[in-house]
Amino acid sequence: EIVLTQSPGTLSLSPGERATLSCRASQSVRSSYLAWYQQKPGQAPRLLIYGASSRATGIPDRFSGSGSGTAFTLTISRLEPEDFAVYYCQQYGSSPWTFGQGTKVEIK
Amino acid sequence: QVQLQEAGPGLVKPSQTLSLTCSVSGGSISSGNYYWSWIRQHPGKGLEWIGYIYYSGSTYYNPSLKSRVTMSVDTSKNQFSLKLSSVTAADTAIYFCARGTNGYNQYFDFWGQGTLVTVSS
Repeated sequence: EIVLTQSPGTLSLSPGERATLSCRASQSVRSSYLAWYQQKPGQAPRLLIYGASSRATGIPDRFSGSGSGTAFTLTISRLEPEDFAVYYCQQYGSSPWTFGQGTKVEIK
Repeated sequence: QVQLQEAGPGLVKPSQTLSLTCSVSGGSISSGNYYWSWIRQHPGKGLEWIGYIYYSGSTYYNPSLKSRVTMSVDTSKNQFSLKLSSVTAADTAIYFCARGTNGYNQYFDFWGQGTLVTVSS
């Protein structure tokens, strides 16, 4: 199975700053089938990005995704207070679908 | 707006079978465009995909759990279910049901709120 490794584990930033989250795959993710989710405490994950770079319905344009092959990035251009959460990547190019271990974006 | 809701016992004894049901509203489970998955999250940890079922009843399970997992679908009730047998403390987790979209290669666009299942005697 494809192992996804996210870095850093924790990102400490202030509102208004730019956040750059990394997701690296143990082997190439077919067709850039890579999604990103946001999860807040006590809630289900929320889809942000699919196909590596397509924003899901209703997702603000400060969220953007990029990458291909084994290296993917989620960028939050200017952090809003509601963006402090845990972010997960998921590959769906090769079964079983797998998730990264998460990156926590916390308030500095 | 599609909504999913998990239901089932919050406490299961070791060696017994965990059983959960996911009720879908706002859309038909029989729509051929979607697959219906179970995903779990151990306390304070990451996400693990358990498997999916299609409205026709076809399934695919994560090989790591395949020997213990059974999924079923009831289109008349717009529900799908998970059974996980021979549970241990390692199966204590929040269990989510989710809708998979994009055909076979699916990401998850709608999720239930999740239900905590604790395995303990």
